[in-house]
Amino acid sequence: DIQMTQSPSSLPASVGDRVTITCRASQNIRSHLNWYQQKPGEAPKLLIYAASALHSGVPSRFSGSGSGTDFILTISSLQSEDFATYSCQQSYSTPYTFGQGTKLEIK
Amino acid sequence: QVVLQESGPGLVKPSQTLSLTCAVSGGSISESNYYWSWIRQAAGKGLEWIGRVYFTGKTTYNPSLERRITMSVDTSKNQFSLNLNSLTTADTAVYYCARGQWEQLIWFFDVWGRGTLVTVSS
Repeated sequence: DIQMTQSPSSLPASVGDRVTITCRASQNIRSHLNWYQQKPGEAPKLLIYAASALHSGVPSRFSGSGSGTDFILTISSLQSEDFATYSCQQSYSTPYTFGQGTKLEIK
Repeated sequence: QVVLQESGPGLVKPSQTLSLTCAVSGGSISESNYYWSWIRQAAGKGLEWIGRVYFTGKTTYNPSLERRITMSVDTSKNQFSLNLNSLTTADTAVYYCARGQWEQLIWFFDVWGRGTLVTVSS
């Protein structure tokens, strides 16, 4: 199985901050990397697919980059509704696997 | 707008079989560029992909669960199902159904159900 490792596990931040979350794959997954946002008690929501493509309806302050084994999710200016847990997921090969999640917390 | 809704028992006993159904509304389960998946999340843990089923009935399972899983699709009812047998407390989790979509040669989960909590306990 391809292992997905995110850092950091938790990230204290303030409204207006620029934040980055890193995801590393245990092998080359090209651009087969997706990002999800999850709030407590809710299902995950797709933010970014194919490493850098913004899903429909997702604000442009979210962006993704990377290919191969190293990927980054960036939020350019944090809004209050962005405090949540973010997970990466590889779809290069089955079994599809997710990172352990990064919890974005209010500083 | 496609909506997915999970249904099934909230409490099951160890060694029993869990049966969950995901009803698809607002779209057809038979559209060719979609797969239908089950994903679970234990409390405080990351997401775990269980498997997927295509409208033809073709399945792909997570090898870690493959011996205990059966997934199926019922196109007449526009729904798909998961059976997980030989349950243990480690199977306690929120179970989500999700739609897998194919775009730019890449699969991703674009629509999710709200999730259903399954507790395995005697």
